Amino acid sequence: SQTIHQWPATLVQPVGSPLSLECTVEGTSNPNLYWYRQAAGRGLQLLFYSVGIGQISSEVPQNLSASRPQDRQFILSSKKLLLSDSGFYLCAWSTSGETQYFGPGTRLLVL
Amino acid sequence: AQSVTQLGSHVSVSEGALVLLRCNYSSSVPPYLFWYVQYPNQGLQLLLKYTSAATLVKGINGFEAEFKKSETSFHLTKPSAHMSDAAEYFCAVSGSSGSARQLTFGSGTQLTVLP
Repeated sequence: SQTIHQWPATLVQPVGSPLSLECTVEGTSNPNLYWYRQAAGRGLQLLFYSVGIGQISSEVPQNLSASRPQDRQFILSSKKLLLSDSGFYLCAWSTSGETQYFGPGTRLLVL
Repeated sequence: AQSVTQLGSHVSVSEGALVLLRCNYSSSVPPYLFWYVQYPNQGLQLLLKYTSAATLVKGINGFEAEFKKSETSFHLTKPSAHMSDAAEYFCAVSGSSGSARQLTFGSGTQLTVLP
């Protein structure tokens, strides 16, 4: 069966520091991968998606970036965090472009 | 383009009462529709999905939803609420066709179940 992992689970970072969040999927090949952000009291905002290694599409211009160095690995990064980057970050995967399955999430607090 | 509107950011029901969470959508292509549930500090779990087959869709934990094209609705129901149903519920519509369908989410409905 397929599983999706995210780490770290929780992160507290100062403003201006770098960020690296990792997502990995097991049990499937060539998945579509997604990064979402969920701000407090708000819905989910799609940040990036990827249909293959090295292929990244950005949905929202911001100071975040994403990379896919391996088939089942998706990384969300920032060179300098802003207060507004605080939130709950969710990774998801899908195959055949249909249902998306979500990871457990990373809670990021920028101080 | 697609969008989702969830009516009621907070819904409270008594244990054993009917649960009704409302979702209306707009989509320029035949939609795929989803309901997800999120418990505190967890990811989203798929409850059910509509992908152009039967209009009445049954999901996990006793939930079901009916696709009504004429009303552009996909409301979520459960005949009898349980305390464990307390969570946030998200309706989503799938947008563009192709290999990476995009999901557009509603703003969520927080369900409270009263004893």
